[in-house]
Amino acid sequence: QSALTQPPSASGSPGQSVTISCTGTSSDVGGYNYVSWYQQHPGKAPKLMIYEVSKRPSGVPDRFSGSKSGNTASLTVSGLQAEDEADYYCSSFAGSFYVFGTGTKVTVL
Amino acid sequence: EVQLVESGGGLVQPGGSLRLSCAASGFTFSSYWMSWVRQAPGTGLEWVANIKPDGSEKYYMDSVKGRFSISRDNAKNSLYLQMNSLRAEDTAVYYCASYRVAHAFDIWGQGTMVAVSS
Repeated sequence: QSALTQPPSASGSPGQSVTISCTGTSSDVGGYNYVSWYQQHPGKAPKLMIYEVSKRPSGVPDRFSGSKSGNTASLTVSGLQAEDEADYYCSSFAGSFYVFGTGTKVTVL
Repeated sequence: EVQLVESGGGLVQPGGSLRLSCAASGFTFSSYWMSWVRQAPGTGLEWVANIKPDGSEKYYMDSVKGRFSISRDNAKNSLYLQMNSLRAEDTAVYYCASYRVAHAFDIWGQGTMVAVSS
């Protein structure tokens, strides 16, 4: 039950794009198309942004997109806006349990 | 409105016990798997346990097996986490979460803080 690996930080200017990686193993990310991404603002509960690798829940802007290749999933935020500044976590189903990523702090410059 | 509200957190001594509750509203609670997820201060999210809609299957992270017990009462739209033999490393905000979409936590409560300290 080891955490998925994410870069600690990422940044971009308003309007630019930022991509966050999430690396696991063949037992989690690589083994299932059940990768999800969460946005968390300070002091708030996480919010689901992407599920099943690339699907967006209702209400999530299409600036957020997800993909996966092998054991690594990615979240791309296009057209960065000030309100996108937050912590982002990936998660993967791993058989009978779930594993989260280490988290990435996105800064809008 | 779809909502999850946790309660029961607090300060407890090492070795002590605490029972967390989560009240659900606005959706058919009895139809969905439910989980507890925790977040230690300044750190990331950590899945703790989950339970099948009818309560017949339960799964736990390794470090809480034998100490924590997840349960639910569908008649009361409530989820519980009984925590025994608490350790300092269990200190965290505990969130209840549901997954109405495949293996993704789409509804979260506001969290309840558990602090284990002497």
